[in-house]
Amino acid sequence: SQQGEEDPQALSIQEGENATMNCSYKTSINNLQWYRQNSGRGLVHLILIRSNEREKHSGRLRVTLDTSKKSSSLLITASRAADTASYFCATDATGGSYIPTFGRGTSLIVHP
Amino acid sequence: DADVTQTPRNRITKTGKRIMLECSQTKGHDRMYWYRQDPGLGLRLIYYSFDVKDINKGEISDGYSVSRQAQAKFSLSLESAIPNQTALYFCATSDNAVPSRVNEQFFGPGTRLTVL
Repeated sequence: SQQGEEDPQALSIQEGENATMNCSYKTSINNLQWYRQNSGRGLVHLILIRSNEREKHSGRLRVTLDTSKKSSSLLITASRAADTASYFCATDATGGSYIPTFGRGTSLIVHP
Repeated sequence: DADVTQTPRNRITKTGKRIMLECSQTKGHDRMYWYRQDPGLGLRLIYYSFDVKDINKGEISDGYSVSRQAQAKFSLSLESAIPNQTALYFCATSDNAVPSRVNEQFFGPGTRLTVL
């Protein structure tokens, strides 16, 4: 069963706007990752945030983690049409085997 | 050059046929994984292997088998394909030599399998 659940399932915005997607999970985690998937292609790792971290940045990406609420958010600033993709969170549960469990994803469409 | 390759990229087959999907990697990673992706269901783990002599079932292994022929090769077989195995299949690797990055997975381009 999925550990992480992304919200919203779909998001449609205009180029230049910010895109925010959220991930909620159920059990304690060691870390949480975000991946991107262009249509029909393999997933690409974006960023990993550890359970003792609250915020990380990578270029136009900002990830936050709130372990008390068991949730994370991915913010893409100044979005571009090329950001159109599906975004997945993946959690590594505490005591697990270091294999991330993927959510169902958020489909982001950025209109030029 | 792709680090994780999958063959074939597309396959259409009939119910009852045996199918093998192959994965090769040049990243030198010990860990390899097979996932299937269905619309609206995200990725589900079928099998994984932490080294050549290690094979483990994932969340949805029924109807599938795997073979780890070498560190670089991990094959997925459907012994008798059925229509509900129609899906996008991904191979992935991860590097346990770097503890801080053991969770990061590197994906192949996927194989789109259709079972009629």
